[in-house]
Parts: sequence; structure tokens; C-alpha cells
Amino acid sequence: AQKVTQAQTEISVVEKEDVTLDCVYETRDTTYYLFWYKQPPSGELVFLIRRNSFDEQNEISGRYSWNFQKSTSSFNFTITASQVVDSAVYFCALRDPNAGGTSYGKLTFGQGTILTVHP
Amino acid sequence: DGGITQSPKYLFRKEGQNVTLSCEQNLNHDAMYWYRQDPGQGLRLIYYSQIVNDFQKGDIAEGYSVSREKKESFPLTVTSAQKNPTAFYLCASSTEPSSTDTQYFGPGTRLTVL
Repeated sequence: AQKVTQAQTEISVVEKEDVTLDCVYETRDTTYYLFWYKQPPSGELVFLIRRNSFDEQNEISGRYSWNFQKSTSSFNFTITASQVVDSAVYFCALRDPNAGGTSYGKLTFGQGTILTVHP
Repeated sequence: DGGITQSPKYLFRKEGQNVTLSCEQNLNHDAMYWYRQDPGQGLRLIYYSQIVNDFQKGDIAEGYSVSREKKESFPLTVTSAQKNPTAFYLCASSTEPSSTDTQYFGPGTRLTVL
């Protein structure tokens, strides 16, 4: 069975600090996809990144960076020089392309990490 | 602008009533999904549709029903059989129901049972 664990329920930082959000996943498959979404107070989930299991290169997008390590089944997300606008709930999610039945098309979500950035 | 719209944003229901949540997309996506989010939890899949006139149950379909008569629309009905319907409901869509596509989400509907 698939599982995504975001052990950090809440993180509080002061603006300009760097912050890393942890994500650990479990799957039996060798081919899978990992995602990060941001949910601001408005509620809409905003897609941030998708990574397939064969691409272990780290990704950087502006102040955001992602560290994918298959050896530890982790897909961590770092925000550099955090800003108040980064305050949101962040979700890590896993998708197994081989899943069928009720699992088809399903994203397995972690419980989310609430990030609060104080001015 | 292309995107996913959900209405209403807030919905109040009396016990025993059925209510329908709207989801419309103009992205020309084939696949659409409904998720439920409870406080402090991740999202759980209710129903999904890969193509018009076809839909499948997700993990928590009991007490819910859907239809997919048009490509752009995927309404969700919360029936009186759903024992604990108070939650935040999110609709999503993707280009095609493949393993590589990304799901994009609407703004959500917050349902409260009075």
C-alpha cells in the first residue's frame, strides 16, 4: 500500500529564514510520481512540482528547491529566504501509475505541514 | 482564463437533505476528480471520471454520487446517506487519466451540515 508521511505538523519561522519540509513515502513500485502542492488560506491547491522516480536530480525554482532521494524514500522541499506569502499548508503526494481499481488516478496525500512565516 | 471553478464557495445543509456541488473546467481536460479534505488531514478521493459518461468510485464513495454528462462538468451530490458530510471538497482535473499527468485543483467548496 502507498503511504506518504509528513512528520512536521506545523513549522513556524521568521521571514528570511530557510525552511525544509520533510516528506517520506512508501510504495512497492519502481515507477511512481511525487508531487508537492501548496494550499494557501484561500483553500485552492496550487501545483508546485512533479517528479518521476527515475529522475533523481534536484530541482530549483527561484527560492524553492526539492531534494529527491530514492535511497531514503524522501522528497524534501526547501524554501530559501522565506516570505510571509509562503505561509500555507504544504502537501506532498504520491501517484502510482500501476494502481488500478479505486486507486487509479488517485493521489495519496500526506497530512500536510502548516508553515507560518512571521514578519 | 482557463481554470477550474467550483460553486458555491460555502454551502450549508440541513440533516437529511441532498446537496449538489458544482465543478466546471474549461481546460479541455478529459479526467476529473473529487476529493474530500478534513481538518488536519490530507485529501481523499471520492470519485473520478476518465471520460464523459464514465466514472468510478474512489476510496470513500459511500453517500456520494456524481454524473459526467459533459466534458467540462462533474457535479458531486452529497446525499443524506453520507453520515459525516461536513468537510472541504476539492475538484481536480487532468489532461488525461494517465500516470504522468498533473492534477490541477479548483478553489473548493466548504460544506457544513447544520
